[in-house]
Amino acid sequence: AQRVTQPEKLLSVFKGAPVELKCNYSYSGSPELFWYVQYSRQRLQLLLRHISRESIKGFTADLNKGETSFHLKKPFAQEEDSAMYYCALRGNFGNEKLTFGTGTRLTIIP
Amino acid sequence: KAGVTQTPRYLIKTRGQQVTLSCSPISGHRSVSWYQQTPGQGLQFLFEYFSETQRNKGNFPGRFSGRQFSNSRSEMNVSTLELGDSALYLCASSPTGTGNTEAFFGQGTRLTVV
Repeated sequence: AQRVTQPEKLLSVFKGAPVELKCNYSYSGSPELFWYVQYSRQRLQLLLRHISRESIKGFTADLNKGETSFHLKKPFAQEEDSAMYYCALRGNFGNEKLTFGTGTRLTIIP
Repeated sequence: KAGVTQTPRYLIKTRGQQVTLSCSPISGHRSVSWYQQTPGQGLQFLFEYFSETQRNKGNFPGRFSGRQFSNSRSEMNVSTLELGDSALYLCASSPTGTGNTEAFFGQGTRLTVV
């Protein structure tokens, strides 16, 4: 069974400080991994996916298959980064569902 | 391109009643998934439909059901409502719902059971 764990429900970081949101997964294979973000009063939207290896809004995430992790990082936090962040996984065997973690609420302190 | 549209936005129902929620996906998207979002549990997968067939199902009781029409629009039904069913119900659509394809979310239907 596939499982996504986000150990931190809440994370507060000062503006300008580095940010790291943790995500660990359980899946017997090579999954597709994503980070979704939900800003206040906006709909949930894709932030980035591991396959793209891109940096979006200064955020990056590296897939570590050995540690089964996909942590989200940003070197310098900005106030507009305050939001709810969800890590998600979809298996690669056929038509598998998209499974989300429980989310981390990130608050940037001015 | 219009985004995913969910109706109604808000619902208040009494315990024991039933409710139907609607989701119109982005044009051309054939996969529609439903999630229950609560503060403590995050997003929990309910089910996914593709080309009018249920392709995946989460661990929810049989009171939760859904269907998809030939135009890809989807409905979700909850019967015999319980207080614990109060939540934000999100619908997501994608072209195929497989691999690394992006899921596009609606704004949700806020269901309150009293």
